[in-house]
Parts: sequence; C-alpha cells; structure tokens
Amino acid sequence: DTGVSQDPRHKITKRGQNVTFRCDPISEHNRLYWYRQTLGQGPEFLTYFQNEAQLEKSRLLSDRFSAERPKGSFSTLEIQRTEQGDSAMYLCASSIEKYEQYFGPGTRLTVT
Amino acid sequence: GENVEQHPSTLSVQEGDSAVIKCTYSDSASNYFPWYKQELGKRPQLIIDIRSNVGEKKDQRIAVTLNKTAKHFSLHITETQPEDSAVYFCAATYNDMRFGAGTRLTVKP
Repeated sequence: DTGVSQDPRHKITKRGQNVTFRCDPISEHNRLYWYRQTLGQGPEFLTYFQNEAQLEKSRLLSDRFSAERPKGSFSTLEIQRTEQGDSAMYLCASSIEKYEQYFGPGTRLTVT
Repeated sequence: GENVEQHPSTLSVQEGDSAVIKCTYSDSASNYFPWYKQELGKRPQLIIDIRSNVGEKKDQRIAVTLNKTAKHFSLHITETQPEDSAVYFCAATYNDMRFGAGTRLTVKP
C-alpha cells in the first residue's frame, strides 16, 4: 500500500498521560500536514512541514502539542499531559507542495 | 487567518437530481480550493480541486466553479446517485489548509 499510513489507529489514554502518533506519508511527497477532526466538524489545521522544516503551526495549538519530521520522511505528533478535550481523530495528510493532499486513516484518541 | 464558510449544512435530493454546495473564503491570498468527500468512519477523499487561475473545472458528474472577486466557490454534482451520499468539505489555502464545516448530502433512491 503506497498511501499515507498512521499508527496507532486507536489510542485510549488516561488524562495527564503523554501520547505519540506516527504518520508515514506517500514517499515522494515533500509536505506533511497534521489535522484534528471532531464529530460533525471539518478537519482543523494543526501544523505542516515542508521536508523536515516545520513551516506553520496553528495559533490555537496548545504548547502541549509538538510535532517533528526529523529526516523529512515520517512525522510524529506528541501530546503531553492529555486532557479530555484532546479526544478527537488526528489526521495526517501529505502532498507535493500544497496541491492534492491525501489523507491517512487517522488515529482516534480517547482521553478518559 | 483564512476563514471558510460552507452552506448548506445538510442537503437532501432525489436520485438523479443535481446538488450544489457553496463556500466562501476570507483570505484573498488563497489560491487553491479542493473538495473532499468523507464517508462515515473513513478518511477524507479528494474528489476535485481548482486553482485560482481557473474559473471552472469539470470531472464527469462533478464540477467546481470559482469566483475570485466574490471569494466564493461551489461544487456541483449532477445526476446524483445513492453512493454520492456522504459529507462533503470545501477547503481553501495559500499555505495552511482551512476547511469548511461540511455538508451532509443524502441522495434518496
């Protein structure tokens, strides 16, 4: 499968714990985006990378969220000290420049 | 930052009828406008997109129109089929992508 993949697909954690998600983009894509989606809403932009450089981060993004793309390939999104409000689907997408973003299957986070 | 508004939030049509979904955006720098279809429990899928140097684009039963002056763009689906039932999202971007809140389309057989 040469599409975007994400791991894990589901994560249940207790409030206050740290979680880390991984995204593997389509191999030739230089851009990688992270989004959050809650029920009944469109994807909400979190941050994006061009190669290994993080070029933009949403102003709404808490300092508890951090993302990396160390070698310009896969990316990780870490949430520290999780809160119940962090429960959502976390989507990754990749593209060549900004055109034709393809989404991964998402990681569903539940914070209890 | 960019703000995208999408209407209607729900749309119900009879099979074979046309469906139109409209979006407006706020940032005149936005120059790329994709549309995504999301079925329940699935990832968003790109169905069509348009760049700001084009006014209209068509792909079989779906078409998108863009009015840069008015800052709005629309998705048109003709000859709707039950399998078109899904949530449709518009988006606008210069660099970061901003999505509308979605339109739940139901096509009744």
